[in-house]
Amino acid sequence: EAGVTQSPTHLIKPRGQQATLRCSPISGHTSVYWYQQALGLGLQFLLWYDEGEERNRGNFPPRFSGRQFPNYSSELNVNALELEDSALYLCASSSHRRGEQYFGPGTRLTVT
Amino acid sequence: QKEVEQNSGPLSVPEGAIASLNCTYSDRGSQSFFWYRQYSGKSPELIMFIYSNGDKEDGRFTAQLNKASQYVSLLIRDSQPSDSATYLCAVHGSNYQLIWGAGTKLIIKP
Repeated sequence: EAGVTQSPTHLIKPRGQQATLRCSPISGHTSVYWYQQALGLGLQFLLWYDEGEERNRGNFPPRFSGRQFPNYSSELNVNALELEDSALYLCASSSHRRGEQYFGPGTRLTVT
Repeated sequence: QKEVEQNSGPLSVPEGAIASLNCTYSDRGSQSFFWYRQYSGKSPELIMFIYSNGDKEDGRFTAQLNKASQYVSLLIRDSQPSDSATYLCAVHGSNYQLIWGAGTKLIIKP
């Protein structure tokens, strides 16, 4: 069974630009979660999508947004990039009936 | 505010010994509990989950749950240098989301 995939692996963007990150969940999973993990820090919850709808968002500004497509894949958009947005962005998928989440390898975003 | 607390460590354990990692949670309605392992620069990997009070064993790993005291623990027997990582505790809340602890850094010394 294929795991969660994310693209790109690495992304370098100048400050003020926009970044788009993509995630494909495990087949059969309808929920996608996005997390930000700055270097040496814990997981910070960003967004939760389920069945195409945004179900919850963490304490992040509106320039962090995303969507979930009919095939349950998802993209995360970060507008007006700031230096402190540099982090590992992790996507996880879940069938949410039992709660366990499975993570993709992450996208390393560097803002220059 | 629903919380999950872990000692940040680092926890240093000699190779071959038992490593004991602990986690407490505040939401009494929590039903599912998870342990993830995260190597530096990598994504978290699910290693154990437990739903019922008591112990659950999987190879060298044992998860223990005590709902009355609201704590979950992870024991790693015969610790190996490859077990050196950050261990994240996660608790499934009533809102279908995982509440994450900040993680405990474990160092296994050869």
